[in-house]
Amino acid sequence: DTAVSQTPKYLVTQMGNDKSIKCEQNLGHDTMYWYKQDSKKFLKIMFSYNNKELIINETVPNRFSPKSPDKAHLNLHINSLELGDSAVYFCASSPNRDGNYGYTFGSGTRLTVV
Amino acid sequence: GQNIDQPTEMTATEGAIVQINCTYQTSGFNGLFWYQQHAGEAPTFLSYNVLDGLEEKGRFSSFLSRSKGYSYLLLKELQMKDSASYLCAVRSTKGGYNKLIFGAGTRLAVHP
Repeated sequence: DTAVSQTPKYLVTQMGNDKSIKCEQNLGHDTMYWYKQDSKKFLKIMFSYNNKELIINETVPNRFSPKSPDKAHLNLHINSLELGDSAVYFCASSPNRDGNYGYTFGSGTRLTVV
Repeated sequence: GQNIDQPTEMTATEGAIVQINCTYQTSGFNGLFWYQQHAGEAPTFLSYNVLDGLEEKGRFSSFLSRSKGYSYLLLKELQMKDSASYLCAVRSTKGGYNKLIFGAGTRLAVHP
């Protein structure tokens, strides 16, 4: 059983399209995150939810909208995709919002916008 | 501001010891993590330091000096499978909430 699972693993789409990435964790964690890893390999936090409540919202274009239907799921919807959105998107979870036990990451979604 | 620096690339020989350094400048420091990331895979947790000193875990050890804003990851008895990127991440409470801020990673190549 995968602890943090994301779908799809690969996503190739045209500029201007709208797409969603889904994430689920079966660890019973309260807190989930979305990170973006660009071509320079920097992992940058985008959003965090704690028990369905948005707690971190970094400077991210409002074309990106996270949704957490319950604490085990955190989805990411992206509108009007741009070339610069091409990256690997990682979902992660932690037992609580303190993050002092570290994060468990999903295997990533490689998004390519053409 | 938040700044985390680590070397971009390192090479080492199988069986040897390698030390990967990380320096950071961050407000609201509340601990430092090391993660391993193989190409095309998820980062996986290696170690966590919140107090000064050395934490040892098998072949891997991590050191922290909060006054110097400095950490290192020490890998002993290197194996080929240790070829990966090693990410230094600082836990920061800036802004009133905890988040992990990652460095760009150090790509380690282990050769025979």
